[in-house]
Amino acid sequence: EEQLLESGGGLVQPGGSLRLSCAASGFTFSDYAMNWVRQAPGKGLEWVAVISGIGDFKFYADSVKGRFTISRDNFKDTLSLQMYSLRAEDTAIYYCVKSPIITAGIDYFEHWGQGTLVTVSS
Amino acid sequence: SDVLTQPPSVSVAPGETATIACGGDNIRGRSVHWYQQKPGQVPVLVLYYSGDRPPGIPERFSGSNSGNTATLTISRVEAGDEGDYYCQMWDSFIDRRKNVFGTGTKLTVL
Repeated sequence: EEQLLESGGGLVQPGGSLRLSCAASGFTFSDYAMNWVRQAPGKGLEWVAVISGIGDFKFYADSVKGRFTISRDNFKDTLSLQMYSLRAEDTAIYYCVKSPIITAGIDYFEHWGQGTLVTVSS
Repeated sequence: SDVLTQPPSVSVAPGETATIACGGDNIRGRSVHWYQQKPGQVPVLVLYYSGDRPPGIPERFSGSNSGNTATLTISRVEAGDEGDYYCQMWDSFIDRRKNVFGTGTKLTVL
């Protein structure tokens, strides 16, 4: 059974940093692109970033470009999101999401983790 | 524009048909995917490539894409279909490659 388990969320002050992780299991991790999608409290879904299966292509939402970095470790089957210069509007549940193919971005979101909550507040 | 616009809410009686539209300038000819999110739960893929269903999704869920509008149709609506529905597509223009979600539609079963 495919599983995605996020961790690393918490309370951080504006301007601070945080690193999210997602542990994947039940599938060949390197065969699939992976995404981060977020959802602010009471709001809709917002795609954050995608990385290809072998990590050679990465794309970001305009709202996080230059502040967030997506990466993956295919030996440890782990996806990460390093977040810098956090703002109140980054407060959201962050979901780790699997794509159905190795290529970054061009497809749908096949499987979602349970999410981890990031709160940016002083 | 990278905005996918959906009606904020749709209400239908049980057994009726719900139609949820997703409009955008760049939808024409693109694959649009749909997600259902029930309160307090993780989003679930209900349609991909505009009309294909993942395993476990009833045939009552169907989709189409015409012009600048993609449509999710739920036939014979049941109480368990209540939730928020989002469309999504990949914007592949070379200078703005990104995924885009629709604004979301709350489906209420009367």
